[in-house]
Amino acid sequence: DGGITQSPKYLFRKEGQNVTLSCEQNLNHDAMYWYRQDPGQGLRLIYYSQIVNDFQKGDIAEGYSVSREKKESFPLTVTSAQKNPTAFYLCASSQRINQPQHFGDGTRLSIL
Amino acid sequence: DQQVKQNSPSLSVQEGRISILNCDYTNSMFDYFLWYKKYPAEGPTFLISISSIKDKNEDGRFTVFLNKSAKHLSLHIVPSQPGDSAVYFCAASAEGIGNDMRFGAGTRLTVKP
Repeated sequence: DGGITQSPKYLFRKEGQNVTLSCEQNLNHDAMYWYRQDPGQGLRLIYYSQIVNDFQKGDIAEGYSVSREKKESFPLTVTSAQKNPTAFYLCASSQRINQPQHFGDGTRLSIL
Repeated sequence: DQQVKQNSPSLSVQEGRISILNCDYTNSMFDYFLWYKKYPAEGPTFLISISSIKDKNEDGRFTVFLNKSAKHLSLHIVPSQPGDSAVYFCAASAEGIGNDMRFGAGTRLTVKP
């Protein structure tokens, strides 16, 4: 049964550490996205990828990095440069860019 | 810069009545609009969309209306059911190179039995 899997569901990070959030899809979608959600705000785009080995910055890319080595996978690294990393992170994919997106169930990241 | 705004953070309606969720946008280049529904501890799921060449799109109990001159869209749910209780996000994008889909902050709908 096709979908998007994000892991882990909850993640804790010590200050100064990098942490990587996993996102895998088996929908054969070309485009993948990472969003951040903070209380009372909409989804803000961090990075997106239209195709393997290509990705573009979104509105709030500073302090984050991504890779797209495989079509199915789009991991997000939250680096120590991200000053306020505590948030709910959502990964999504779509057949092509700007089409309806399928979302994972999210990862909640907290700083210890 | 919030290009998509959902000014009502919450809405409560009685089961069987109509739910109307509103969304305003500022970018006149937007030509494709979507509604997503989100239950707690789950990711949003796509509900319904409309392109700017239409002013109405209907799918079962869900209808989206688009008023381009007012830069306003709304989602109507008739009749509302308790299972519709969720957070609803509206989103908008413009055809072109790259991704510029913008999401509103969401409206929490509660349908009371």
